[in-house]
Amino acid sequence: DGGITQSPKYLFRKEGQNVTLSCEQNLNHDAMYWYRQDPGQGLRLIYYSQIVNDFQKGDIAEGYSVSREKKESFPLTVTSAQKNPTAFYLCASSGMGHQGEAFFGQGTRLTVV
Amino acid sequence: AQSVTQLGSHVSVSEGALVLLRCNYSSSVPPYLFWYVQYPNQGLQLLLKYTTGATLVKGINGFEAEFKKSETSFHLTKPSAHMSDAAEYFCAVSDPGNFNKFYFGSGTKLNVKP
Repeated sequence: DGGITQSPKYLFRKEGQNVTLSCEQNLNHDAMYWYRQDPGQGLRLIYYSQIVNDFQKGDIAEGYSVSREKKESFPLTVTSAQKNPTAFYLCASSGMGHQGEAFFGQGTRLTVV
Repeated sequence: AQSVTQLGSHVSVSEGALVLLRCNYSSSVPPYLFWYVQYPNQGLQLLLKYTTGATLVKGINGFEAEFKKSETSFHLTKPSAHMSDAAEYFCAVSDPGNFNKFYFGSGTKLNVKP
């Protein structure tokens, strides 16, 4: 079945460590996104990519980095510069040039210990 | 930039009662409009969307929404709430000038009382 796979489902990080969240899609979508979700704040856009080897900062990109080396993959690295990384992270994708919706993965819950 | 406002962070209804979740957007050009549902610790699932054509849109699980350009609204309704409807609901828009950028509201948690 086509879809978006995020891994791991739960992730624990020690302060000062970088961690990478995986996002893979087999929907042949050009655009991919990372959102952060905190209680009562909805979804905030971290980074998005509309094409391979290109990506743009969203509203809260500080302390995060991404790469888009393959169409299917859009990993997110949470760096030690991110002061409050504990959150639920959602990856999404959509088709280009269509009236298409965003399709979401099941999310990764990151906790700093 | 677009913005999306969802009135009411929490809504509580009795089972069998009407569900009404409100969404207003700001845009000089009608955007594409979406409603998503999220169950705890899961991703978002599309309920329905409006792009062009008929302004009353029917979605899954008996939900529907009406696009009202004059009111810049896209409220979500369901005639009769079911316990399984308890979840968080997000309204979203995408920019017609940039089809692939989405803007989300802050969400409304729906509680359904037996």
